Amino acid sequence: GQNIDQPTEMTATEGAIVQINCTYQTSGFNGLFWYQQHAGEAPTFLSYNVLDGLEEKGRFSSFLSRSKGYSYLLLKELQMKDSASYLCAVLNYGGSQGNLIFGKGTKLSVKP
Amino acid sequence: DAGVTQSPTHLIKTRGQHVTLRCSPISGHKSVSWYQQVLGQGPQFIFQYYEKEERGRGNFPDRFSARQFPNYSSELNVNALLLGDSALYLCASSLEPSNTEAFFGQGTRLTVV
Repeated sequence: GQNIDQPTEMTATEGAIVQINCTYQTSGFNGLFWYQQHAGEAPTFLSYNVLDGLEEKGRFSSFLSRSKGYSYLLLKELQMKDSASYLCAVLNYGGSQGNLIFGKGTKLSVKP
Repeated sequence: DAGVTQSPTHLIKTRGQHVTLRCSPISGHKSVSWYQQVLGQGPQFIFQYYEKEERGRGNFPDRFSARQFPNYSSELNVNALLLGDSALYLCASSLEPSNTEAFFGQGTRLTVV
């Protein structure tokens, strides 16, 4: 089966750091994505991890442990505009197709 | 450069009707994937097309169909609409089916009444 779990909601304060966790159990694995999605808009790409370890990109970092089926997205120096849903997605590429398997998303609210 | 464009942005249909949604990928991208996102959920994979051929299909009924044209644009068709088909329909384009760099369009918000 395919299962991706992430918390439904999180709240944090402007200027703080927040970590959004994601665990996955999928039949295939070709990498893990994090997307940001503001209400009513399309998901926008944040990060892609295919090897274990930490990838840092500005205020955003993403970590992957393939052996544990675990990833997290770390957001530093939170801003009000970071209030959005954050989607964890596993790339399942097999045969001739590649599709993303998404979690339900974590709604992050940043408070002043 | 234009990103992924989808049309229409919003539409309202009645149960039992048919709908066609359109997607133009980023120039040079040959793979198009369709996803359905119900409110409060993550996107669910419907179809992937590459070089005008279906490369993958998610767990959706036969009422859902799609095709890709020679210019790599794509249409998603849904017949006999149900209330549960109300969702945001997202199109993603990538160079190849491996999808390591997939870019999403703004989506079509379909409401079935």
